[in-house]
Amino acid sequence: DTGVSQDPRHKITKRGQNVTFRCDPISEHNRLYWYRQTLGQGPEFLTYFQNEAQLEKSRLLSDRFSAERPKGSFSTLEIQRTEQGDSAMYLCASSLNRGRTNEQFFGPGTRLTVL
Amino acid sequence: DQQVKQNSPSLSVQEGRISILNCDYTNSMFDYFLWYKKYPAEGPTFLISISSIKDKNEDGRFTVFLNKSAKHLSLHIVPSQPGDSAVYFCAASDNAGNNRKLIWGLGTSLAVNP
Repeated sequence: DTGVSQDPRHKITKRGQNVTFRCDPISEHNRLYWYRQTLGQGPEFLTYFQNEAQLEKSRLLSDRFSAERPKGSFSTLEIQRTEQGDSAMYLCASSLNRGRTNEQFFGPGTRLTVL
Repeated sequence: DQQVKQNSPSLSVQEGRISILNCDYTNSMFDYFLWYKKYPAEGPTFLISISSIKDKNEDGRFTVFLNKSAKHLSLHIVPSQPGDSAVYFCAASDNAGNNRKLIWGLGTSLAVNP
């Protein structure tokens, strides 16, 4: 399977704990995005990487959130001191930089539940 | 402020008939529009896209129409099949910051009845 993969698919944690999610994009894609989706909403942009460089972070991404993409391959999203409001589906997407067109391909998501 | 709006939370259609899902946007800088389909507990699946320099794009049973003057686009599914039952999201992007991040609507839940 050469699609976007995410791990874990589900994570249940207690408030105050740290969690880390992993995303493996489609191998030739140089762009990688993280989005967050809550019930009844569309996905909301969190952050964007072009190769290994993190080029934009949403104001939704508080200082408890950090993302990395070492070597421009897989990416990790870490949430420190989780809060109940962090409960959501975290989606990773990748795409090729082809100017105007930007079909982003999504992984299955990581469902986070903070108790 | 919702820049991409899908005003119909749900739509029910008979199998074999046409499904029309609508989307409005407010940001005139958007130049690329996409439709995604989403099943529960899965990530969105890309369906079809359209550039702002076109007014129609067709792929099999799926056609997207863009009316730039009205800032409106629609997705037509003909003929509708029960397997099309899912939540459909409209998304848009511009070239601000050269990041092409997607701005999403709230989705429309489509039910295709056998």
